Amino acid sequence: AQKVTQAQTEISVVEKEDVTLDCVYETRDTTYYLFWYKQPPSGELVFLIRRNSFDEQNEISGRYSWNFQKSTSSFNFTITASQVVDSAVYFCALSETSGSRLTFGEGTQLTVNP
Amino acid sequence: ETGVTQSPTHLIKTRGQQVTLRCSSQSGHNTVSWYQQALGQGPQFIFQYYREEENGRGNFPPRFSGLQFPNYSSELNVNALELDDSALYLCASSYSGSTVETQYFGPGTRLLVL
Repeated sequence: AQKVTQAQTEISVVEKEDVTLDCVYETRDTTYYLFWYKQPPSGELVFLIRRNSFDEQNEISGRYSWNFQKSTSSFNFTITASQVVDSAVYFCALSETSGSRLTFGEGTQLTVNP
Repeated sequence: ETGVTQSPTHLIKTRGQQVTLRCSSQSGHNTVSWYQQALGQGPQFIFQYYREEENGRGNFPPRFSGLQFPNYSSELNVNALELDDSALYLCASSYSGSTVETQYFGPGTRLLVL
């Protein structure tokens, strides 16, 4: 069975601080996909990134960066120089190759204070 | 915006009633997935439709059913509503081809069962 754990329920930071959101996953599949989604108060899940299990290169996109470590089954997300607009719930998710069913973690509520 | 639309945005029903939620997929997408998100939790997979047939189902009872139409839009039907069915219902569309593709979500329908 697949499982995604986001141990941090809530994080509060001051604007311009760096913040890292943790994600640990469990799967028996050798090929799988990992995702991060952002959910602002409006409710719509916004896709941020997708990584394949066979590609462990870290990725940077503007202020966002992702650290994928297969050895520790982790896929952590860092926001550099956080902004108030980054305030949202962030979800890590996992899917297997046989279908695109997503297994989500419980989410991390990030609050960035001015 | 993703191009995935859902209707209605909000809905109030009473226990025992039936409800139909609708989703229009993003242009070029042929797969629709439905998720239930209870307050403060991560989304839970209900089922997925591909080529008008159910293509995977989560741990939900048979009173949750769905349809996909030739234009790839979809409906989620819930019979005999229970109080615990109160949640945000999210629809996601994707393209299923030779590889697993990213799911893009709509704004959701907030259902309240009294």
